[in-house]
Amino acid sequence: GIQVEQSPPDLILQEGANSTLRCNFSDSVNNLQWFHQNPWGQLINLFYIPSGTKQNGRLSATTVATERYSLLYISSSQTTDSGVYFCAVANTGGFKTIFGAGTRLFVKA
Amino acid sequence: DAGVIQSPRHEVTEMGQEVTLRCKPISGHNSLFWYRQTMMRGLELLIYFNNNVPIDDSGMPEDRFSAKMPNASFSTLKIQPSEPRDSAVYFCASSLTSGGLNEQFFGPGTRLTVL
Repeated sequence: GIQVEQSPPDLILQEGANSTLRCNFSDSVNNLQWFHQNPWGQLINLFYIPSGTKQNGRLSATTVATERYSLLYISSSQTTDSGVYFCAVANTGGFKTIFGAGTRLFVKA
Repeated sequence: DAGVIQSPRHEVTEMGQEVTLRCKPISGHNSLFWYRQTMMRGLELLIYFNNNVPIDDSGMPEDRFSAKMPNASFSTLKIQPSEPRDSAVYFCASSLTSGGLNEQFFGPGTRLTVL
C-alpha cells in the first residue's frame, strides 16, 4: 500500500519563527489533507490540498502531486500552534486513507 | 452546523465486556470512516462506509470488531469481547465524497480504556 513519510518528526520553535513541514508519499493520490491535533486531542482540518497551493492566515500549503510531496508552511509561529501535524492521503480511485506518523511541534514563548 | 458527534467521550470497561461506540456524521455526508489512534501504531483506518454500505474493512484488526451503519445518520463500532490492547482513542470521520474528492471531518473521539 501507499507509504506516507513526514519530516521532521519533532520540531521546537521560538515564538515568531517560521517552519516548513514535509509530507512524502509513495504513489499517486487524489486526496491529501493536513490536520492539526491539538493538545486536547482534537483533529482540526487545516487544508484539503490534493494539488496546488492554498493559504489560510499564517498557514499555507503546497502539494506537487507529480513529485509526490506536500509542504505545510507555518509563519510567525504562536504557542497555540503546538501539537501534532498530520498529513493524510488516499490513493487515486479510492478513499482508503493513510496517515503519516506526524510532526510534533512545540512553540516556546 | 453540528460537526461529527461521537459518544461516549470516555469509556472505561473491564476485559471481556462488550463495548459499543457511536457516531453521528455531518448531515448530508455520504461517507463515514472509523479510525483508531494509539501511540504505537498512530492513526489507522479501520473501516469506511459509502452510502451506508461497508466498502473496505481490511483495517479491522480482528473478528472481535464489527461496525454497522443502519442509516445515513448513525454508525456503531462494537468490540466484543474487549481486551486491554484495544485501549485507544477511536475517531469517527465523515465526508461528502463526490467525483473522487473526499475531505474528511473528524469527531472528538472516544477514549477507550480496557482494564
